Amino acid sequence: DAGVTQSPTHLIKTRGQQVTLRCSPKSGHDTVSWYQQALGQGPQFIFQYYEEEERQRGNFPDRFSGHQFPNYSSELNVNALLLGDSALYLCASSLYTGELFFGEGSRLTVL
Amino acid sequence: TQLLEQSPQFLSIQEGENLTVYCNSSSVFSSLQWYRQEPGEGPVLLVTVVTGGEVKKLKRLTFQFGDARKDSSLHITAAQPGDTGLYLCAGREIQGAQKLVFGQGTRLTINP
Repeated sequence: DAGVTQSPTHLIKTRGQQVTLRCSPKSGHDTVSWYQQALGQGPQFIFQYYEEEERQRGNFPDRFSGHQFPNYSSELNVNALLLGDSALYLCASSLYTGELFFGEGSRLTVL
Repeated sequence: TQLLEQSPQFLSIQEGENLTVYCNSSSVFSSLQWYRQEPGEGPVLLVTVVTGGEVKKLKRLTFQFGDARKDSSLHITAAQPGDTGLYLCAGREIQGAQKLVFGQGTRLTINP
């Protein structure tokens, strides 16, 4: 049984570019949450998707957007990248009110 | 925005010593979780505490939830080098069904 898988694991972008990160949830899970973890910090909640809709959102600008597909997989999109967007982006899957299982993350570096 | 403050942020001790990590907030949480994160990996859940005053033990790790459900502690007895890692506390908001608020983490190093 595969756990939460994220891709790519590492990527480098330049300021102003756009990036798409992908997440496949653990089998049987229907909810995906995205977190941003800056170096030396705890994860910060970006948003949560359930039934293909954004259910909750943290304090992130509109440059951060997402999508959930009918198979429960999800994408995180970030437009107009800033240096400060450099971070580890974590995807966590769960049943709607259940325990979160985290993927290994996508490490984004913005130059 | 609810905040969780962890202390200390960094801790380096010798193998065999005991230690306590604290997680404090002015807000009440419906539950509190402790995670451990290794470099290059996502956080892995260690324990969830739900009831005020609850104490849970996981081998040499003891977790306690404060009576008012605003704070928590993690105590490690006879620390081992394998305990080295980033320890994160996370509170589940009462209003939100899923949103977790994380502390900034405690980076623990156990020296042989």
